[in-house]
Amino acid sequence: AQKVTQAQTEISVVEKEDVTLDCVYETRDTTYYLFWYKQPPSGELVFLIRRNSFDEQNEISGRYSWNFQKSTSSFNFTITASQVVDSAVYFCALSEARVSGAGSYQLTFGKGTKLSVIP
Amino acid sequence: KAGVTQTPRYLIKTRGQQVTLSCSPISGHRSVSWYQQTPGQGLQFLFEYFSETQRNKGNFPGRFSGRQFSNSRSEMNVSTLELGDSALYLCASSYLDSRDTQYFGPGTRLTVL
Repeated sequence: AQKVTQAQTEISVVEKEDVTLDCVYETRDTTYYLFWYKQPPSGELVFLIRRNSFDEQNEISGRYSWNFQKSTSSFNFTITASQVVDSAVYFCALSEARVSGAGSYQLTFGKGTKLSVIP
Repeated sequence: KAGVTQTPRYLIKTRGQQVTLSCSPISGHRSVSWYQQTPGQGLQFLFEYFSETQRNKGNFPGRFSGRQFSNSRSEMNVSTLELGDSALYLCASSYLDSRDTQYFGPGTRLTVL
C-alpha cells in the first residue's frame, strides 16, 4: 500500500528564515506522481507542484524549491526567505495505481506539516 | 476558467439526519474525487467518479454515497449522520484521474450535533 510520511507536525520559523518541509513516501510502483498542496486557514487546498517518478530534476519557483530523490524516496519542499503569508498547512501526496484495475488511481495524502512564520 | 465550486459552504445537522453536498468541477474535467478532512484522521479519500461511474472508493461505510451527472457535476450523500461525520468535505476535479493534478474546491464544513 502506498504511504506518505510527513514527520514534522508543526514548524515555527521567524520571517526571512529558510525552512524545509520533509516528505517520505512508500510505493511498489515504478511509475507514480507526487504533489505538494498548501492549505491556508481558509481551508481550500492550493496546488503547488506535480512531479512524476521519471523526472528527478529539482525545481525552483520563486521562493519555493523542491528536491526529489528517488534513492531515498523523498520529495522535500524548501521555502526561502519565508514570509508570514506562507503560514499554512502543507501536504505532500502520492498517486499510484490501485490494485483494483486499469485506470484506477488514488491520491494519498500525508498528515501535513503546519508552518507558522512569525513576524 | 472558473475553479471548483462546492455548495453549501457550511451545514449544521443533527444525528440521524441525512445530507447532500454538491460539487461543480472545472470545465472540461471529467474526474471528481471527494475527501473527508478531520483533525484526527487527516485527509481521507472517499470516492472518485468518472463519466458518471464510481471508479474508486475509499474505506468508508455504505452511509457515504455519491453520484456524478452527465455534465460532470457530482453530489455526495451521507445518511444517518453520526457525530463523527463532522468534518470538512473537499471535492477535487482533474482531467482524467489522480495522475493529473487535482484542483480542490473550498470545501463544505459539516457539523453534526
